[in-house]
Amino acid sequence: NAGVTQTPKFQVLKTGQSMTLQCAQDMNHNSMYWYRQDPGMGLRLIYYSASEGTTDKGEVPNGYNVSRLNKREFSLRLESAAPSQTSVYFCASKGSGFFSSNQPQHFGDGTRLSIL
Amino acid sequence: EDQVTQSPEALRLQEGESSSLNCSYTVSGLRGLFWYRQDPGKGPEFLFTLYSAGEEKEKERLKATLTKKESFLHITAPKPEDSATYLCAVQAVANYGGSQGNLIFGKGTKLSVKP
Repeated sequence: NAGVTQTPKFQVLKTGQSMTLQCAQDMNHNSMYWYRQDPGMGLRLIYYSASEGTTDKGEVPNGYNVSRLNKREFSLRLESAAPSQTSVYFCASKGSGFFSSNQPQHFGDGTRLSIL
Repeated sequence: EDQVTQSPEALRLQEGESSSLNCSYTVSGLRGLFWYRQDPGKGPEFLFTLYSAGEEKEKERLKATLTKKESFLHITAPKPEDSATYLCAVQAVANYGGSQGNLIFGKGTKLSVKP
């Protein structure tokens, strides 16, 4: 099973360029999440989508936009990249069902983004 | 404010030398505590979920325990392949439905096990 797939794995951008990070899951999960991971900061939530058709801001949403394209796909867009957005970005998804709120999140292997 | 603190930041062990990692948390109400393992260049991999004080879970050389203020990840007779960063995260009871699945992560403990 593929689980959570993120593309691309690596990317280098120049300041001011735009880019969309792609995430797809094949586990029929309702909820999807975007995090960034920086040295010494831990994982921080950027945006999440509790279900298809809804999106909400997390802890650090400034400079980002998201689209929940369908149940499988959740994309993250940087409209005008800044060096402070250099980070590793992780997408995650969480299961569905009556007890879904207690189920673990499953992560992709990340996109390593450098902005010069 | 909900908060998760992990200690130590880094831990070096000899193969076979047992030890524990700590995760202290402050949340308004705990819905669940999660342990993940993260290898270099990879995403976090789920290990355990703990829901209530006194609960314990085991997997191979790892055992996770939970009290009302902290969780421990005990590593018994570790092997070099146990080297990784271990992340702790809590899920708090929230007042609004959409955020009830959201996790608050600690900064992790980087474990190195030497042969």
